[in-house]
Amino acid sequence: LAKTTQPISMDSYEGQEVNITCSHNNIATNDYITWYQQFPSQGPRFIIQGYKTKVTNEVASLFIPADRKSSTLSLPRVSLSDTAVYYCLVGVSSGGGADGLTFGKGTHLIIQP
Amino acid sequence: GAGVSQTPSNKVTEKGKYVELRCDPISGHTALYWYRQSLGQGPEFLIYFQGTGAADDSGLPNDRFFAVRPEGSVSTLKIQRTERGDSAVYLCASSQTAGTYNEQFFGPGTRLTVL
Repeated sequence: LAKTTQPISMDSYEGQEVNITCSHNNIATNDYITWYQQFPSQGPRFIIQGYKTKVTNEVASLFIPADRKSSTLSLPRVSLSDTAVYYCLVGVSSGGGADGLTFGKGTHLIIQP
Repeated sequence: GAGVSQTPSNKVTEKGKYVELRCDPISGHTALYWYRQSLGQGPEFLIYFQGTGAADDSGLPNDRFFAVRPEGSVSTLKIQRTERGDSAVYLCASSQTAGTYNEQFFGPGTRLTVL
C-alpha cells in the first residue's frame, strides 16, 4: 500500500499559482495518482488523475517526474473559493483490494485576498 | 442527472441503539464505497462493493458494522449497538467500475451523532 505525505497546510493569495506536492516513495508500477478537493460539509470532489509526466484539465495540472516518487498539483490563479482540503491518493483498487482508497489528512489550503 | 444521495443528512441516536444509513449511487455505477470521516481527518475507507458483493470490507472497524447492497444499486450501512466513538460523517461514493482510475463521485454524507 503506497503511503503518501503532504504538507498539513499552505497559504497563498488570490491570483497566485499554488503548487501542492505529494510524496509517494513506494509507488508501485500499476499505481495511479489521484487528487481530490473537499470543502467543509461536503464530500470530496475529483480534481485530476495521472500516471506519468503531465496531465492538465480545466481546473488544474498534475506534474509527475520520471521516477514517480512524488507528484505536484498545480492550481493556476487561485481564488478565495479554492480554499479547501486537497487529498493525494495513490494506488489502484480493482478486484479484491482497497489499495488507493487511503485519503490521509490532506493539505488545508487557505487563500487570502 | 442526479448525483449520489444519502439519507438521512443528520442522525442523532443514543448509545446502544441501531442505525441504518442509506446511499443512492449514480444510476449505472457498479462500484459503491463507504467512508467515515471524523473532524479534522480525511475520509477513512470502510467497505466497497462491486455490484452486489462486498469486494473489500477490510475497513469495517468491528462486527457492529455491516453493509449490504442487495440489488447492486442502493446500499445500506448498518451499525449495531452504537457507541459515542461512532459519531462521524459517513460518506458514500460511487464510480462506474472499481479502481482508482475511475473517478469517485461522493454524496453529501450523513452526520451521525451518538449521545
